[in-house]
Amino acid sequence: GQQLNQSPQSMFIQEGEDVSMNCTSSSIFNTWLWYKQDPGEGPVLLIALYKAGELTSNGRLTAQFGITRKDSFLNISASIPSDVGIYFCAGMNYGGSQGNLIFGKGTKLSVKP
Amino acid sequence: NAGVTQTPKFQVLKTGQSMTLQCAQDMNHNSMYWYRQDPGMGLRLIYYSASEGTTDKGEVPNGYNVSRLNKREFSLRLESAAPSQTSVYFCASSPRGGDLYGYTFGSGTRLTVV
Repeated sequence: GQQLNQSPQSMFIQEGEDVSMNCTSSSIFNTWLWYKQDPGEGPVLLIALYKAGELTSNGRLTAQFGITRKDSFLNISASIPSDVGIYFCAGMNYGGSQGNLIFGKGTKLSVKP
Repeated sequence: NAGVTQTPKFQVLKTGQSMTLQCAQDMNHNSMYWYRQDPGMGLRLIYYSASEGTTDKGEVPNGYNVSRLNKREFSLRLESAAPSQTSVYFCASSPRGGDLYGYTFGSGTRLTVV
């Protein structure tokens, strides 16, 4: 089946730093989504991308839909403590009766001690 | 607030016991989903219901059954719980199967099977 490789698995951030993470797939997707999960909560949608090459921002977050449709990137600028959590990428091929998001395994953001 | 409500939030079961996880959404969404989340494994789809009256298996359906009771509610049943089913379970919904806007998730049920 389709699989997503998300990297890095974890990273430590210091307030003010920029953060980058990415997701790659062996097959193409029509839609890429980025979610954030806070401790003890369900994932919450951050950004949705619908077109190859698309670059979309949501505040300090910027995500891109790769030209090949097999990858996506998420950048967080000037990180703050509340950015801590797990970030998931998800790919979807919409249409038909089977809507199914394929999730990456997540990138865990923690504060540098 | 509108959203997806899951009950219970926490549960401890003994091996072999049965239980049903409840999920309800008040957004008039057509499609509903059950995922499990395990450390380092991300979110894996157990079952989904593209619309009221239909259910289909996802990636990891073994040991589970589901019921789409009506448009609002989608329950997940463990008939004979096993320690391998210790996990965090998330219910999600979307306006329709294959929706462009992703899914809305509940806050999860943390299940421990001893």
